[in-house]
Amino acid sequence: QKEVEQNSGPLSVPEGAIASLNCTYSDRVSQSFFWYRQYSGKSPELIMSIYSNGDKEDGRFTAQLNKASQYVSLLIRDSQPSDSATYLCAAMNRDDKIIFGKGTRLHILP
Amino acid sequence: DVKVTQSSRYLVKRTGEKVFLECVQDMDHENMFWYRQDPGLGLRLIYFSYDVKMKEKGDIPEGYSVSREKKERFSLILESASTNQTSMYLCASSEGEWRAGSYEQYFGPGTRLTVT
Repeated sequence: QKEVEQNSGPLSVPEGAIASLNCTYSDRVSQSFFWYRQYSGKSPELIMSIYSNGDKEDGRFTAQLNKASQYVSLLIRDSQPSDSATYLCAAMNRDDKIIFGKGTRLHILP
Repeated sequence: DVKVTQSSRYLVKRTGEKVFLECVQDMDHENMFWYRQDPGLGLRLIYFSYDVKMKEKGDIPEGYSVSREKKERFSLILESASTNQTSMYLCASSEGEWRAGSYEQYFGPGTRLTVT
């Protein structure tokens, strides 16, 4: 199993709906998790970090971490066309290196 | 806001040339990183530095070296560029002592390098 895995998509979501992006991780990953957004041709930008089990909310974004099931999710409420991008999940592994998933392409349908 | 800048957005070099990619951050961050991003392979860590003159190899250090003489500047060097080093190169920084800091990374705009 790869350390951080994401479905490549594309994930198509109607405007105004909730977009749900998922990421699973292996035992080699420790407790720090991050979500980045990357628009086409641009560099990644940090959306949220999450370090403990449960939910963390920031505006329209909610990160969810479930250590028992080894997954971390990002929910985007009231999706907008401007949310169309590739979303990268990242985590710290046990060698103290940050590992990125390959990203999920999200397409918000107007 | 954190600002990370990279010396060039686009660069074209010939095989065998020595290539320097420069990265500067203005937020006094301790840690700096170099990644390359390729379609289908995602972001891969080349090198990182957690302090001036300190460096650690990432997952793909072969063919690259780095230099960090000042806290705000981290350079990536391709000793003898090859066509398989054609890629998008991304620099990032994060604050705090490594292994105790936030690990939240802030990226520069990237340098698209083409080696012909």
